[in-house]
Order: sequence, then C-alpha cells, then structure tokens
Amino acid sequence: GNSVTQMEGPVTLSEEAFLTINCTYTATGYPSLFWYVQYPGEGLQLLLKATKADDKGSNKGFEATYRKETTSFHLEKGSVQVSDSAVYFCALSDISTDKLIFGTGTRLQVFP
Amino acid sequence: DVKVTQSSRYLVKRTGEKVFLECVQDMDHENMFWYRQDPGLGLRLIYFSYDVKMKEKGDIPEGYSVSREKKERFSLILESASTNQTSMYLCASSSPSTLHFGNGTRLTVT
Repeated sequence: GNSVTQMEGPVTLSEEAFLTINCTYTATGYPSLFWYVQYPGEGLQLLLKATKADDKGSNKGFEATYRKETTSFHLEKGSVQVSDSAVYFCALSDISTDKLIFGTGTRLQVFP
Repeated sequence: DVKVTQSSRYLVKRTGEKVFLECVQDMDHENMFWYRQDPGLGLRLIYFSYDVKMKEKGDIPEGYSVSREKKERFSLILESASTNQTSMYLCASSSPSTLHFGNGTRLTVT
C-alpha cells in the first residue's frame, strides 16, 4: 500500500545553516506530495505541495521537488531561522480516496 | 482564511466515560477528517466523512465512532474511553487535496 518514510529527528541546527529533511514514498499511480508544518501548540499547516513529477513546491524559503525516479520529496531551506523550529510532516494523497497519508514527522530545532 | 475549530484544547476523562470531541469548519467543505497524533507514529486516520450523514472508517477506527449531522460539524465519539486513547486528536477539512487543520485536542484518559 501507499506509505511515506521520513528521516527521524530531532534535527538540530544553528541559525543560517542549510536544512534538508528527507522524504521518500511508496505509491501506486501519481499522487500529489505535501509538506505540512506544526508549530508548538498548533495544528498542522500546509507548507508546500507538488502535484506531478518534476514540480517544485516552494513557500517561506522552503523548497521540495517531486522526484519520480527516486520516489522522493526532500524538504530544503538555504538558511534556517529560530522561528522555523517545528515538526515537519511529509504526506502523499491517495488518488483513489483523496485521503492524506503522513510520515511520522521530523522535529527541527534551530538555535541562535 | 479557512477556520477549523475544535471545541477543547485539553480534556481529562476517566476510563469508561463516553467522550465527545467536536469540530466545526466555516468553509462549506464537504470532506472532514479525524486523526490522532502520537510520538513516533505520526498522524493516523480514524474516520472521515465525504458528506452529511456519510462516514468511512480510516486506518484505526476501533473504539471510536463519528457523527456528521450538519455539513460544518464533525464529531468524534469515544464510546468507552480507555487509557490507550490518550492522545492528541486533530480534526481537518479539505478543499481539493489540501487539508486544513484545527489546533488539536489533547485528551488524557486516567
């Protein structure tokens, strides 16, 4: 069945460091791919998405490219800030039901 | 902006109690979802609904039921709460392929 695997955290970085959070998926067909972010004490918010192969989603300095050949959707940011500290979830949409399937989440901690 | 409101941020209930978690959305979305979030397990889908009075089981429906009498409201019911249902519960509604989440209800069952 469909599944999402993302790197375990926590990821600990200094401010202005480069960020990569890995995400790979298993799916039939061509699902849409998402990154959601959860700030402390809040629900999840959509960060970015990509709906087809080679699409690049971007928002707030974060980027991820839909790589069909490697079944990956890695999240990157060139220079993280303390305010980026949160839990990041990779997800895919089940094209037959429109449900989202989530990874286990990766906690990012950014220190000044 | 889409607003999804969960009625309680924190709840403490006793084993065996019947528990209602309420969720309201203001965007006339047809699809609504209940997830639970646990450390190391991510989000797991409990139930979802595509329309009023319609419901579908998700991946972990055991011990839960739902009610969707009005389009804007989707309730999660724990018929007889147990300690293994202590968790964070997240409600969401969806525009096509994009989920909008509430802030969650942290339920503790003692």
